[in-house]
Formats: sequence, structure tokens, C-alpha cells
Amino acid sequence: AQTVTQSQPEMSVQEAETVTLSCTYDTSENNYYLFWYKQPPSRQMILVIRQEAYKQQNATENRFSVNFQKAAKSFSLKISDSQLGDTAMYFCAFMKPSTSGTYKYIFGTGTRLKVLA
Amino acid sequence: DTGVSQNPRHKITKRGQNVTFRCDPISEHNRLYWYRQTLGQGPEFLTYFQNEAQLEKSRLLSDRFSAERPKGSFSTLEIQRTEQGDSAMYLCASSSPRGHETQYFGPGTRLLVL
Repeated sequence: AQTVTQSQPEMSVQEAETVTLSCTYDTSENNYYLFWYKQPPSRQMILVIRQEAYKQQNATENRFSVNFQKAAKSFSLKISDSQLGDTAMYFCAFMKPSTSGTYKYIFGTGTRLKVLA
Repeated sequence: DTGVSQNPRHKITKRGQNVTFRCDPISEHNRLYWYRQTLGQGPEFLTYFQNEAQLEKSRLLSDRFSAERPKGSFSTLEIQRTEQGDSAMYLCASSSPRGHETQYFGPGTRLLVL
């Protein structure tokens, strides 16, 4: 069974600085997707960035980028120029297409990020 | 596009009572998922619908839980004879037939069983 591990329960960063959140996963699959979702306090989860395993190029979305190391099964999120609005719980998620058509996510336990003014 | 909505946002009930939650996905999304999130944990998959068909259920979904999506639009999740261990955030997500890898989440229903 696939597992997702986020080893940093809490992190803090100064505004305008850069922070990296770690995620490792375990799978024997070759074709899968990885995601980072952000869950602000009392608000719904929103997609930050996604990575297809077959793509070697790391995904980027504005200030957010990933370091995808497929052989090491590592998928870290880098947030540059941190802003107060980045304060949230961040979840790493794994998904592989199944034969039944289910695209369920397997989530890590999350990293609570606080951006300090 | 108003996003995924869930009602109610909060529910407090007494042990043994039945509760029902509703999820309205994004209008053209044919795939709908339910997850449960307990304190300090990431969301865990409960069940999946493609249109009106329930195609997968997690072993977390005991006999007291039932989910429906009768017309392939909104979905309901019912918990019968609630237990204190059912206290959690229940999240709904939907995805498009064209971009089904990415799920869009609702705000969740927070359930507290006393």
C-alpha cells in the first residue's frame, strides 16, 4: 500500500524568506501524480501545485516550486518570498489511477506553516 | 463556477442520533469523493462516485455509513447511530471528466458527537 510521510509537523519562516517542506512517499508504481494542497485556518483546501511522475521537469507555480526526486521518492515544496497569506496547513498527496477508475488521494499528516511578520 | 459547497458547515449531535451531510460539486464534475479528516491527520478516503454509481468504498466506511448520489449531481453522506469516534471533519471533493487527476475540495462539515 502506498504511504505518504511528512516529517515536519510545524515550521515557521520569516516573511519574504524561503522555506522548504518535505514529503516522502512509498510506492511500487511507475505512473502516479503528486500534489501539494494548502488548507488555511477554517478554510477549504486548495491546490498549490501538482507533478506527474512521468515528467522529469519539476513543476512551478509562481512562488511555489517542487523538487521531485523519483528514485528517492521525495517530493518537497519550496515557497519563495513567503507571504503572511501562506500561513496554513500544507498536505502532500499521492494519487495513482486505478483500474476501477478511482483517483483517490493518499495524504500525509500535514505540515503547519506559520509565516512571521 | 461557485466551487464545491457542503452543508451544514457544523453539526453537533448526541451519540446514537443520525446525521446527514450534503455535498454539491462543481456543476460539470462527474466524479465525487468523500474524505474524513480527524485532528492532526490528513484526510482519509471514504468513498467515490462516478456520476450516480458508487464505485469504491473504503473499509473505514462501516455499515453505519451510507452515501448516495441519486442523480449524479449532489451527494449525501448519512451516519446512523453516531458514535464519539465519528467526530471529524467530513470533506467532499469533485473532479472534472477532462482533468480528473485534480480534485477540488469543499469547506467540509465538522461533526461533533457528544
